[in-house]
Amino acid sequence: DTGVSQNPRHKITKRGQNVTFRCDPISEHNRLYWYRQTLGQGPEFLTYFQNEAQLEKSRLLSDRFSAERPKGSFSTLEIQRTEQGDSAMYLCASNPGRGDEQYFGPGTRLTVT
Amino acid sequence: GQNIDQPTEMTATEGAIVQINCTYQTSGFNGLFWYQQHAGEAPTFLSYNVLDGLEEKGRFSSFLSRSKGYSYLLLKELQMKDSASYLCAVGDDKIIFGKGTRLHILP
Repeated sequence: DTGVSQNPRHKITKRGQNVTFRCDPISEHNRLYWYRQTLGQGPEFLTYFQNEAQLEKSRLLSDRFSAERPKGSFSTLEIQRTEQGDSAMYLCASNPGRGDEQYFGPGTRLTVT
Repeated sequence: GQNIDQPTEMTATEGAIVQINCTYQTSGFNGLFWYQQHAGEAPTFLSYNVLDGLEEKGRFSSFLSRSKGYSYLLLKELQMKDSASYLCAVGDDKIIFGKGTRLHILP
């Protein structure tokens, strides 16, 4: 297994456009997490899945953000009507279950112009 | 709610020992993680403490006191490659990260 992968690695978009990111977790990891990280800050929790079920979504996440994990394997994170404040690194992580070490992907760096 | 505090930056000398502190306030506690993050890279796992006490793993050790809401990461025999941010994180289902401590190693 090659670890958690994320695509694209970089995305530049204009304000108001929609973007979608993909995360492929480590095979057989039941849990998948999305985080957002800006310069000088730690990762900020966005949402997480147990298999295909979305168990929690941060209150900081506006309605413009949606995430899916339809078959309990890969996940997508969509941001609609992007704003400059959405510019950040979006990190995905997975682990086998509760309390286990999280394995992070390389991230998708989003720049909104 | 949850609140995690750790120093923003620290500087130490190659070969020395450094201790990075973390204090936390949580509505419920299940475990405390330490992650290392080099600039431009994803975080990588260092340690996980559930019970009070010290856990040693090579040059790195992590301590937890649940009654005091306190943890520290101890790095021994510092190497230049240890220059990175060190993230304290609390949780079990949902993991909440602190802002990280940027550690600078001087030759």
